[in-house]
Amino acid sequence: NAGVTQTPKFRVLKTGQSMTLLCAQDMNHEYMYWYRQDPGMGLRLIHYSVGEGTTAKGEVPDGYNVSRLKKQNFLLGLESAAPSQTSVYFCASRPTGQGTYEQYFGPGTRLTVT
Amino acid sequence: DQQVKQNSPSLSVQEGRISILNCDYTNSMFDYFLWYKKYPAEGPTFLISISSIKDKNEDGRFTVFLNKSAKHLSLHIVPSQPGDSAVYFCAASDLSNFGNEKLTFGTGTRLTIIP
Repeated sequence: NAGVTQTPKFRVLKTGQSMTLLCAQDMNHEYMYWYRQDPGMGLRLIHYSVGEGTTAKGEVPDGYNVSRLKKQNFLLGLESAAPSQTSVYFCASRPTGQGTYEQYFGPGTRLTVT
Repeated sequence: DQQVKQNSPSLSVQEGRISILNCDYTNSMFDYFLWYKKYPAEGPTFLISISSIKDKNEDGRFTVFLNKSAKHLSLHIVPSQPGDSAVYFCAASDLSNFGNEKLTFGTGTRLTIIP
């Protein structure tokens, strides 16, 4: 049981390039989330999904797109990377059901945009 | 507007003593609170949570206290151990937003346990 995995672990992009971050979970969780963590800012929600085929905007969605074609995968895309998107990106998932509000996080992807 | 605040960026505590981490929130709709622990180069891991219907929840060395009138919660770790050195994030959720429950995180407190 790998939990939540993220690919890649590190990436350096030039301004204007595009990339996709992959999040996969093997816990059959319905809910999945993408966050970014910046120094002094905590974790901020980018986009989330409450089930396969659904996505919704979080606190800081601009410049990102997401897709949830399969229940176990949640993709985060940057169409035209900007230096302001230099950050550590975390994916998380959680099951549905009352009393199960904890989110399980992946190890993170460190992205640098030059 | 920071709805969840952790005003102490860092805290140092002697091994064996009590560590107290604080968190304040401004949104009165928040009714569920969590603490996460994060080591460098790893994702946050869930530590303990509390519902607004309680004022205390305990799990081993970790206890979370909630003061709703003051919109304040704290995490107590006793006794503190070197492995507790990490960044601790407070998070809050509004469970009335059923089906769209999201977590709002604080900025974190770096706890260092001194041997």
